[in-house]
Amino acid sequence: QQQVKQSPQSLIVQKGGISIINCAYENTAFDYFPWYQQFPGKGPALLIAIRPDVSEKKEGRFTISFNKSAKQFSLHIMDSQPGDSATYFCAASKGSSASKIIFGSGTRLSIRP
Amino acid sequence: EAGVAQSPRYKIIEKRQSVAFWCNPISGHATLYWYQQILGQGPKLLIQFQNNGVVDDSQLPKDRFSAERLKGVDSTLKIQPAKLEDSAVYLCASSLQGMDGYTFGSGTRLTVV
Repeated sequence: QQQVKQSPQSLIVQKGGISIINCAYENTAFDYFPWYQQFPGKGPALLIAIRPDVSEKKEGRFTISFNKSAKQFSLHIMDSQPGDSATYFCAASKGSSASKIIFGSGTRLSIRP
Repeated sequence: EAGVAQSPRYKIIEKRQSVAFWCNPISGHATLYWYQQILGQGPKLLIQFQNNGVVDDSQLPKDRFSAERLKGVDSTLKIQPAKLEDSAVYLCASSLQGMDGYTFGSGTRLTVV
């Protein structure tokens, strides 16, 4: 059972454009929604995260939009740069901060110069 | 602070052989996780430790995989015997109680031929 569904599988965006990655979840008990960024040969690194008590969180050029009723959340990367080219994973967990995190299938983002 | 250390970085073995991976988490991080990341997919949790106790091993193929964290610090993950479908990157992560998200190591890339 895939608990976190992510789309698209791959995305190409021009430099300076907006990159948008979408995720949907099934388990309403999830209460923590992080996004991870992974470069080739490296482990995933926490990029930004949100809890369902807010509808949006912004950190620099990265914004998470959260729709609790639709059980969807998305990552927006403004002014996308070639250095943002990586694989992005949405994820979800429930309970304490040490709870297991369930990952989506990933989106390979390429920013064209 | 030093990150999560994993070794080896790469390993190639023949099917039916055994292999072991090592992980040293960030100092003070009580929770340790082993994830399996098959090419093109998101990481999947294999086992979670809290100190030296197992919290969740529901997705660990126990007929061939084993893991231990004897002193509550570093951990080893073993596969015996390996199958072709075990080819993946094995990621170790750790987290601190009260801190959201994990810190991942760079992983061990296993190729079974």
